[in-house]
Amino acid sequence: GAVVSQHPSRVICKSGTSVKIECRSLDFQATTMFWYRQFPKQSLMLMATSNEGSKATYEQGVEKDKFLINHASLTLSTLTVTSAHPEDSSFYICSAYKADGEKLFFGSGTQLSVL
Amino acid sequence: SQQGEEDPQALSIQEGENATMNCSYKTSINNLQWYRQNSGRGLVHLILIRSNEREKHSGRLRVTLDTSKKSSSLLITASRAADTASYFCATDETGGFKTIFGAGTRLFVKA
Repeated sequence: GAVVSQHPSRVICKSGTSVKIECRSLDFQATTMFWYRQFPKQSLMLMATSNEGSKATYEQGVEKDKFLINHASLTLSTLTVTSAHPEDSSFYICSAYKADGEKLFFGSGTQLSVL
Repeated sequence: SQQGEEDPQALSIQEGENATMNCSYKTSINNLQWYRQNSGRGLVHLILIRSNEREKHSGRLRVTLDTSKKSSSLLITASRAADTASYFCATDETGGFKTIFGAGTRLFVKA
């Protein structure tokens, strides 16, 4: 099956710092990737749709200046949490459609802890 | 809310028993998918059922879809301890390009 690599898997940072999370499709091109946020024992909440070569589309209530998304190539999307605060602590997961676009392939997620 | 509803929220069964999880959604869909998530990990795709299908099987998994009731069920037969995970349904809305996830069911299979 298709592979989506997400890095880092875990990050601990001080309040006020920025954190970058990378999402790569290893064996396919992904013109569109998705970023989700998940709180413990809850479902995935779509944050934004990342489009290669254009601006990301953010869901209602998601601050685009807080969560910067860059989809620089057909295999890489990055999410930068700027000036992170403890309330940004969460599990962030990326995903991408492959080819026929019928199912999503997920990265393994990034656990962000802001102290 | 962008989420659908799933029930039960949590399910605890003995190994060998069957597990049934239900999902309801709100809009017209192209397809419905079920995913599995082990704690602290990404999601793994289990099965996809299209809007014009009513039932689908894959190994020990059986999925049904009732578009008139906007609901789906996932049945795992002869459960194993390794099936312990959270299970999510997800829908692709007609005319849309987003996958919306249900609230999930946490399944615990006791050995």
